[in-house]
Amino acid sequence: EEQLVESGGGLVRPGGSLRLSCEASGFSFKEYGMNWVRQAPGKGLEWVSSISESNKYIHYGDSVKGRFTISRDNAKNSLYLQMNSLRAEDTAVYYCARAVNIMDVWGRGTTVTVSS
Amino acid sequence: AIQMTQSPSSLSASVGDRVTITCRASQDIRNDLGWFRQKPGKAPKLLIYAASSLQTGVPSRFSGSGYGTDFTLTISNLQPEDFGTYYCLQDFDYPFTFGPGTRVDIK
Repeated sequence: EEQLVESGGGLVRPGGSLRLSCEASGFSFKEYGMNWVRQAPGKGLEWVSSISESNKYIHYGDSVKGRFTISRDNAKNSLYLQMNSLRAEDTAVYYCARAVNIMDVWGRGTTVTVSS
Repeated sequence: AIQMTQSPSSLSASVGDRVTITCRASQDIRNDLGWFRQKPGKAPKLLIYAASSLQTGVPSRFSGSGYGTDFTLTISNLQPEDFGTYYCLQDFDYPFTFGPGTRVDIK
C-alpha cells in the first residue's frame, strides 16, 4: 500500500523553528515529485512547497518563501520541511502529498501550533 | 498568482440528486486542474485530475469537465458518503492555488 506518514509537528513559540518529516512507503519515492500543503484551523487548503524527484526544481508559496526550506533524502524515502521564523499564521495541519495526477497520495498530516 | 474561485460556497442536496460545483481560474490554465474532497479531520482525497480524468478507485458518479478558465465537477446520484468540502486546485503554474472550497451537506 502506498503510504505517507508525517511527523515532527508540535507547539513552538513565535520566531522558533521546527522540522517536519514525511516518510514514504509502498512506492519508489525517488521517482516522484512531492508537495507540502497546509490547512489552518477552520480554513481551506494552501499549497506550501514542491520539490522535484531529483531536487532540481523547488518552489515555495509567497507566504513561506525565505522562511521554509523543502528537501528530500531519497535513500531514506523521506521528505522534509524546515520551518524557521515561525509566525502565529503558520499554525496549521501540514500534509505531504505525492505529485502524481496533480496530488494523488496524501499523508494524514501533522499539526503545528505557533503560540506563546 | 492565479486566483481560483468556486461556487456555490455551500449546498445541501438529497440522496440521488445531481450536484454541480464550478471552479473558475483568473487566467487560462488549459486543463491543469484537479478536484478533491475532504471530510472533517481527514486528508483531502483526489477525485479528478487533468480536469476530466477520473482517479483510480473513484466512483463513476463523479465527473469533471472544462478547459481554459471554467471547470465543473458533477456528482450524479449523490450518495450519503459524498458529504464534505470539495476543492479545486490548479497546477498550471506556481504558486499552485486551491479554490476556497464548496461544502456539500446531505439533506
